Amino acid sequence: NAGVTQTPKFQVLKTGQSMTLQCAQDMNHEYMSWYRQDPGMGLRLIHYSVGAGITDQGEVPNGYNVSRSTTEDFPLRLLSAAPSQTSVYFCASSWGQGGGYTFGSGTRLTVV
Amino acid sequence: EDQVTQSPEALRLQEGESSSLNCSYTVSGLRGLFWYRQDPGKGPEFLFTLYSAGEEKEKERLKATLTKKESFLHITAPKPEDSATYLCAVQPSQGAQKLVFGQGTRLTINP
Repeated sequence: NAGVTQTPKFQVLKTGQSMTLQCAQDMNHEYMSWYRQDPGMGLRLIHYSVGAGITDQGEVPNGYNVSRSTTEDFPLRLLSAAPSQTSVYFCASSWGQGGGYTFGSGTRLTVV
Repeated sequence: EDQVTQSPEALRLQEGESSSLNCSYTVSGLRGLFWYRQDPGKGPEFLFTLYSAGEEKEKERLKATLTKKESFLHITAPKPEDSATYLCAVQPSQGAQKLVFGQGTRLTINP
């Protein structure tokens, strides 16, 4: 039981490049979310999903896309990277409302 | 607007010196309040969920309590391995898919 797996762990992008951050969970959780963590800002919700085929925006969605074709996977796409997207990104999953979220180990992204 | 404020921002204690961390929250309706521990370079690790005022949960040297306006994380006789950043988050009743996090308390336990 691996929990929530994120890849890659580190990435450097040039401004304007696109990339996909991968997230997979093996706990059969319905809820999955993406957060970014910045110094002094805490964790902020980017996008979330309550099940396969259902996604919605969080607090800071601009510049990011998501899709949920399976229960297990929830990739986050950066369409055209900007320096403001330099951050640590965490994927999390939960069995449902009121359930504790399990977080992945994070992807540290630098946009130059 | 849902909001979480944690205090203090940083706390240094000697090994064995008990203390408490505070999490004040404003939320339209509370479905749950969560405490996490985060070590440097790692993801948050789930500690507790509290659902209603008066509820308490314990795990080793940690005890979490909840009132209608705030939660406390009490640390009894801490050890150096308890050093970490402790995060508090609320899950609102409306929009319960999301967690609203505080900025965390960075706890250092000196041997």
